[in-house]
Amino acid sequence: EAEVAQSPRYKITEKSQAVAFWCDPISGHATLYWYRQILGQGPELLVQFQDESVVDDSQLPKDRFSAERLKGVDSTLKIQPAELGDSAMYLCASSLGLEIDTQYFGPGTRLTVL
Amino acid sequence: SQKIEQNSEALNIQEGKTATLTCNYTNYSPAYLQWYRQDPGRGPVFLLLIRENEKEKRKERLKVTFDTTLKQSLFHITASQPADSATYLCALEGPRGTSGTYKYIFGTGTRLKVLA
Repeated sequence: EAEVAQSPRYKITEKSQAVAFWCDPISGHATLYWYRQILGQGPELLVQFQDESVVDDSQLPKDRFSAERLKGVDSTLKIQPAELGDSAMYLCASSLGLEIDTQYFGPGTRLTVL
Repeated sequence: SQKIEQNSEALNIQEGKTATLTCNYTNYSPAYLQWYRQDPGRGPVFLLLIRENEKEKRKERLKVTFDTTLKQSLFHITASQPADSATYLCALEGPRGTSGTYKYIFGTGTRLKVLA
């Protein structure tokens, strides 16, 4: 069964450093999502792509976060500089992009900022 | 804005019993609602979707109800097993973006522990 791939699985960094996360969605999935999940809370949408275009980044802290999906396939989420409050699980999900859709999540990247 | 409320306290039940989890929302009624399962350190996994015109949906030991009058969905696991222990998240269709695309709002999840 096809899966969403993410790397790295774990990342420890010091504040003010730059970090990057990679996501490879399920083949053929037009929509890609990046979520942040703080322990004990539900996933919060950071950015949503339809093919290579950003369709929602209203919750993305744009002063330090950036995301791209250049060829409409895999995607990178970057944080620069990282802050202590960025420690969380970063989840990538993909879907076909239908009106009623199911999201398939990757295993996530656990970020710890020291 | 839409708010979703799930029991923040963990639910402990005995093996073999039926677990019932609640998802309440406060604003507009979504066209559909989804339930996901999340194990520690893993991404959520889709379980069931129910549309606004459906009162009930079943899948094996799982059952979901959707009451748009009460603005509530109930998620039931019958004959629960220790392997059902996980966090269960409900997700609602959120407001459409400016490009007309759909996004989802997740609840905080309820942690279920099934005791052997």
